Amino acid sequence: GDSVTQMEGPVTLSEEAFLTINCTYTATGYPSLFWYVQYPGEGLQLLLKATKADDKGSNKGFEATYRKETTSFHLEKGSVQVSDSAVYFCVRGVAGGTSYGKLTFGQGTILTVHP
Amino acid sequence: GAVVSQHPSRVICKSGTSVKIECRSLDFQATTMFWYRQFPKQSLMLMATSNEGSKATYEQGVEKDKFLINHASLTLSTLTVTSAHPEDSSFYICSAQSGVNTEAFFGQGTRLTVV
Repeated sequence: GDSVTQMEGPVTLSEEAFLTINCTYTATGYPSLFWYVQYPGEGLQLLLKATKADDKGSNKGFEATYRKETTSFHLEKGSVQVSDSAVYFCVRGVAGGTSYGKLTFGQGTILTVHP
Repeated sequence: GAVVSQHPSRVICKSGTSVKIECRSLDFQATTMFWYRQFPKQSLMLMATSNEGSKATYEQGVEKDKFLINHASLTLSTLTVTSAHPEDSSFYICSAQSGVNTEAFFGQGTRLTVV
């Protein structure tokens, strides 16, 4: 079935370091891909999305590119801040229909950024 | 973004009793709501999809009679865990979307502990 595999954490970085969180997905159809973030004490929030191959989603300095050939959607940020400390989930939607709502989650990666 | 409120945030119940969790969209009409379950240190698993005014669609392996879902209005869906047992203890999260291919917004989750 549909699945998402993301880099295991936790990831600990110093402020201004470069961040990469790897994510791969099973390629059934052409799913939409998302990164969700959960800050401490808050609910899940959509960070960025890409709906077709070669799309690049970006938000708050984070980027991820939909790579169909490698079935990947790696999250990157050039310079992390302490406020980026959170749990990051790589997510895929089902192809077509309610593809933004019916979601398959990766296992989540805990990111901690130190000053 | 839009607000989805989940209530209660934490609940403890005795084994054999039932508990109801509410999911409300506060500032939009949710045609579709989703219920997820998250086990400790694991990812979110989709339990069911509910559309306003119709029966919920359950994912494979989810017991319909144990997890009763009602979506009686465009702003409210409820999940009732019937005859709860300790193995039902988990974190339950809902999400809601206003239409096909629109962003799904998440509630903050409910921590259920069955003793």
